[in-house]
Amino acid sequence: EPEVTQTPSHQVTQMGQEVILRCVPISNHLYFYWYRQILGQKVEFLVSFYNNEISEKSEIFDDQFSVERPDGSNFTLKIRSTKLEDSAMYFCASRGDTPTDTQYFGPGTRLTVL
Amino acid sequence: AQTVTQSQPEMSVQEAETVTLSCTYDTSESDYYLFWYKQPPSRQMILVIRQEAYKQQNATENRFSVNFQKAAKSFSLKISDSQLGDAAMYFCAYLGVGNQFYFGTGTSLTVIP
Repeated sequence: EPEVTQTPSHQVTQMGQEVILRCVPISNHLYFYWYRQILGQKVEFLVSFYNNEISEKSEIFDDQFSVERPDGSNFTLKIRSTKLEDSAMYFCASRGDTPTDTQYFGPGTRLTVL
Repeated sequence: AQTVTQSQPEMSVQEAETVTLSCTYDTSESDYYLFWYKQPPSRQMILVIRQEAYKQQNATENRFSVNFQKAAKSFSLKISDSQLGDAAMYFCAYLGVGNQFYFGTGTSLTVIP
């Protein structure tokens, strides 16, 4: 069964450093998402991406964040200058081209900012 | 914005017994989808079951079923014949026209052997 993959599984970085989290969505999916889950809290929407542009973003997704689909398979989330409070689990998700399609989540990347 | 409320932070069930996890939501939309996701210790988000709001029939997936009460904005998950592998965090989620998920705060389910 096709699945969303994410790399790395765990990223440790120093405050102020840039990080790039990578996702490979399911190959025929067209809509891509990033979510964040701070430890012990609920999953929060960050951004959705379609047709090579952001379609929606939350208040969390400020100028420090950016997303990109650099090629036909990868979907990346960049945090320009990490803060301690960026430490969280980051989930990528993708879905097909109809609104009724289910979003499939990747296994997540645990980001630890020191 | 839509809100999703899970009022049970923790639940426990004896193996082979049945447990029901509660979820309520608030929305002004008429067309939407509701989901239950399971998050085991690995922290991966695994889809358990989904329900389309326009369908009156409650969704069922093997041992998992929902009780969807649209007027009451309630969407509970029933797990029958609970197994040790069911132990996880369970999140209720809402998906509306905005195409983003709104998650509840989760219910931690413990299965007692």
